[in-house]
Amino acid sequence: SQQGEEDPQALSIQEGENATMNCSYKTSINNLQWYRQNSGRGLVHLILIRSNEREKHSGRLRVTLDTSKKSSSLLITASRAADTASYFCATDPTNQAGTALIFGKGTTLSVSS
Amino acid sequence: DAMVIQNPRYQVTQFGKPVTLSCSQTLNHNVMYWYQQKSSQAPKLLFHYYDKDFNNEADTPDNFQSRRPNTSFCFLDIRSPGLGDAAMYLCATSRDSGTETQYFGPGTRLLVL
Repeated sequence: SQQGEEDPQALSIQEGENATMNCSYKTSINNLQWYRQNSGRGLVHLILIRSNEREKHSGRLRVTLDTSKKSSSLLITASRAADTASYFCATDPTNQAGTALIFGKGTTLSVSS
Repeated sequence: DAMVIQNPRYQVTQFGKPVTLSCSQTLNHNVMYWYQQKSSQAPKLLFHYYDKDFNNEADTPDNFQSRRPNTSFCFLDIRSPGLGDAAMYLCATSRDSGTETQYFGPGTRLLVL
């Protein structure tokens, strides 16, 4: 069953604006990861946040994790046209030891210049 | 430098004609995965290998098989492709446990005529 659900499904913004995507999940996790996928390509790992962490930064990316609400957000600041892609969250459920990540359906981000 | 390589990038097959997709990695990772991704959907894990140990997802159809002859290579065999099997097939690797960062190949888009 789906573990992660991203919100919104689609987001359109102008260059220079910030983009915020949210991910909600159902069960306790060890970590949560965000991936990016350009159209017709494979996924690229962006950032991993562990269950005992609340916030992580990587360049223009900021990820927060609220385990009490079972939710995470990905913020892309000062967006660029090249940020246009689909963004997926993936969780590592604690109740499924040894199995692989579970991906959400993704948010499609469109950044126009 | 390519780390996870998938061949071919595009594959056209006929209904019912067996097809094999290949994946190779230069990362020397223990774990290799095969995902199926249909348009605007999340990647769906088909199976994964931890070294030589094969792990099949419960809902993966019997039509899908996999081989991992050595650390570097992994193959996805579709014995009798149906129209519903048309999708992007993604190969990924991770260093050790199944929930670490995954490194994806560019994918193979399969078209079934």
